[in-house]
Amino acid sequence: GIQVEQSPPDLILQEGANSTLRCNFSDSVNNLQWFHQNPWGQLINLFYIPSGTKQNGRLSATTVATERYSLLYISSSQTTDSGVYFCAARSGNTPLVFGKGTRLSVIA
Amino acid sequence: KAGVTQTPRYLIKTRGQQVTLSCSPISGHRSVSWYQQTPGQGLQFLFEYFSETQRNKGNFPGRFSGRQFSNSRSEMNVSTLELGDSALYLCASRSGRARYPYQETQYFGPGTRLLVL
Repeated sequence: GIQVEQSPPDLILQEGANSTLRCNFSDSVNNLQWFHQNPWGQLINLFYIPSGTKQNGRLSATTVATERYSLLYISSSQTTDSGVYFCAARSGNTPLVFGKGTRLSVIA
Repeated sequence: KAGVTQTPRYLIKTRGQQVTLSCSPISGHRSVSWYQQTPGQGLQFLFEYFSETQRNKGNFPGRFSGRQFSNSRSEMNVSTLELGDSALYLCASRSGRARYPYQETQYFGPGTRLLVL
């Protein structure tokens, strides 16, 4: 099945800094999503982005499907951005496969 | 619209017991997926149901089973609990647009934290 790898595994930022999280996937996908899991365990969908670029406030994401990677950009980070960011991908009607996540800590 | 709800939120069981977890999807969503999250293995897919039919099943032993009812509510059952079953169990319902431009959003519930002693 499809493999999803995320980097870096951990990231510590000062409030106001920018960051880039990367997701590599092993096969062509028709579905790629980014999620944020807050410290209480709630997973929130950030983007559905199998290709192209999307922006939502301080967050944006780009997927280059032909090169099998996706990037999540966080600008002007805030302490509320802390948590774990997951990338998940699927091919066809196979189950959504999650990466191991990037744990982000934003320090005031 | 109310979000995905899961009950119970916390559960403590002992080895050998069985447990049933419940998930109610967002109104109108017919697809429900279950995931197990542990520190060591991350988020692992358990099952996916659509209109009462199991569409996909993850690589878990037969002790893990699930079903979906006609109102889209879903339950998962774990029999003969083992210590390694301690985890956060997450349920998600899916909205989507079947026609171009295709769009899918997965909405997760708050999870059930299961501790097996």
